[in-house]
Amino acid sequence: DGGITQSPKYLFRKEGQNVTLSCEQNLNHDAMYWYRQDPGQGLRLIYYSQIVNDFQKGDIAEGYSVSREKKESFPLTVTSAQKNPTAFYLCASTRRRDGNGYTFGSGTRLTVV
Amino acid sequence: GESVGLHLPTLSVQEGDNSIINCAYSNSASDYFIWYKQESGKGPQFIIDIRSNMDKRQGQRVTVLLNKTVKHLSLQIAATQPGDSAVYFCAETGNSGNTPLVFGKGTRLSVIA
Repeated sequence: DGGITQSPKYLFRKEGQNVTLSCEQNLNHDAMYWYRQDPGQGLRLIYYSQIVNDFQKGDIAEGYSVSREKKESFPLTVTSAQKNPTAFYLCASTRRRDGNGYTFGSGTRLTVV
Repeated sequence: GESVGLHLPTLSVQEGDNSIINCAYSNSASDYFIWYKQESGKGPQFIIDIRSNMDKRQGQRVTVLLNKTVKHLSLQIAATQPGDSAVYFCAETGNSGNTPLVFGKGTRLSVIA
């Protein structure tokens, strides 16, 4: 999907369990983003990173954590502190810091069982 | 294109007719706007963008209109086809270098064959 790979496509989490969603891009993009999408809703920003080893909280960061150790990779961990994690998670990247020209991954659907 | 609760606004059009999808944005400092198309279970797909120094931009079968005075954006799709059925989102950002895209809540377009 345009150079961004999200995995897995479907993920099931038990109560109290941490899970990590993968996002890898080979576009040489500087900035990467994680969004959450609930049914019938728009995209809400969880975390973003404009440079390696640096990231910022978005609007709904509570219960989530990220790392940016490599330019290509921006994994998202959904912790047990996130009380309502069932959602569709989308990763995106851009070449420049101003957010122009987002490329999105195909998403991971997380379900709590 | 503002949603109420969990229900996306829906636009139903006859195949072959023109579609107009509207979006009100909130930040008067935003100067770059993008329309995305999202099919079920997939990531958003770029359609067309426009900068604030323009009021109209045309693509293939699509036109975006920007009215900065009333902070309104619209997407016009000519000769709507069944394959255009999807959810459409507008997104905005400022060119400060530190502002991720902010998404509207989306409009579902349903094409009647």
